[in-house]
Amino acid sequence: QVQLVQSGAEVKKPGSSVKVSCEASGGTFSSYAISWVRQAPGQGLEWMGGIIPIFGTANYAQKFQGRVTITTDESTSTAYMELNSLRSEDTAVYYCARLKGSYFDNWGQGTLVTVSS
Amino acid sequence: DIQMTQSPSSLSASVGDRVTITCRASQSITRYLNWYQQKPGKAPKLLIYVASSLQSGVPSRFSGSGSGTHFTLTISSLQPEDFATYYCQQSYSTPQTFGPGTKVDIK
Repeated sequence: QVQLVQSGAEVKKPGSSVKVSCEASGGTFSSYAISWVRQAPGQGLEWMGGIIPIFGTANYAQKFQGRVTITTDESTSTAYMELNSLRSEDTAVYYCARLKGSYFDNWGQGTLVTVSS
Repeated sequence: DIQMTQSPSSLSASVGDRVTITCRASQSITRYLNWYQQKPGKAPKLLIYVASSLQSGVPSRFSGSGSGTHFTLTISSLQPEDFATYYCQQSYSTPQTFGPGTKVDIK
């Protein structure tokens, strides 16, 4: 059973960057796409982008194009999401999720990113 | 982008009730519709994929149906652990989009 473990909570200043990690264990990392989904406080779920580790090419939601970078390190079975030019509206819980076929079957525990001056 | 809507946005129900949540897509997504359950402070959990397939380990009281633009999630007999927020999600095209959620709470 695949388990996704994310890095801890972050507090960032507006204009700075944050990089969240997602380490996979117990399964085959490279074969499945990893996506990042965020959830602002009290709000719904928003897909940010995803990557297939063996291909290494990420695709992003238009909303985040130019501001987000998703990468993987196959040697450590870890995916990363870096978000730049942070603003208060980026305060959210960020989840990584494994895409199996056409659905997210495994999720990380979430990482709270707080953007505040 | 494909827009997803859900109704109702919230509902109150009792243990043992039959509950139905509706999800609509702004265009046909064939059967590429998934349902997730989320409890406060927790990650979403997959319940149903490709409209009607039950994820392993999910109780059989959960079922899904629909195709095209109209989908439903049914809980045949609501249990105490089912009080949560439910989200539909289309995976027909990128960006994958979620419905706004339906909160199920105790009457």
